[in-house]
Amino acid sequence: QARLVQSGAELKKTGASVKVSCKTSGYPFNTYYIHWVRQAHGQGLEWIGRIDPRSGDSKVAQIFQGRVTLTRDTSVSTTYMDLTNLKSDDTAVYYCSDLGPSDSWGQGTQVTVSS
Amino acid sequence: QSALTQPPSASGSLGQSVTITCTGTRSDVGSYKSVSWYQQHPNKAPKLIIFEVDKRPSGVPDRFSGSKSGNTASLTVSGLQAEDEADYYCNSYVGSRRVFGTGTSITVL
Repeated sequence: QARLVQSGAELKKTGASVKVSCKTSGYPFNTYYIHWVRQAHGQGLEWIGRIDPRSGDSKVAQIFQGRVTLTRDTSVSTTYMDLTNLKSDDTAVYYCSDLGPSDSWGQGTQVTVSS
Repeated sequence: QSALTQPPSASGSLGQSVTITCTGTRSDVGSYKSVSWYQQHPNKAPKLIIFEVDKRPSGVPDRFSGSKSGNTASLTVSGLQAEDEADYYCNSYVGSRRVFGTGTSITVL
């Protein structure tokens, strides 16, 4: 059974960077794209970007271009989302997911940005 | 890429049906048979209930159905039950990227 496990909560200052990890288990790492989605408290879901674990090719939503980098390490079946120049409205729960029929989601990582 | 447009709220009585819409453009909903719907209860991760417009994952009751016409996708929940009270989000491909809808909160009266 597919399982995605994310890194723990982060508290950051404005202007800093955060790197959230998502470890895949239960199926071959290269099988599905990994998507990153965030949700601010009381707000809707926002698609951040996706990475192809096989090739490393990534696509990021226009609003995040220049601030988000998606990478992967095949040796540990883990993908990473790096968000730079943090602002207070980046405070949200960040999820990784395959956004596919297997409906696998990480448990979410709370990122809190304060001054 | 702007979020797909959904009504903020919808409601129906127990046992009744409710339909919510997801309106996009020719560049997203109108171009792909890859519209999906997610259900989210408070403080929980989203759960996939419809994919590829009208397919249900294993374990999702057939009370949930999806359709699409032009640039608008729809989700119908028939025979509303108390546990259907949740937020619902559509999602579509847009080129090699994805976009979510603004979300609809369904209330069961």
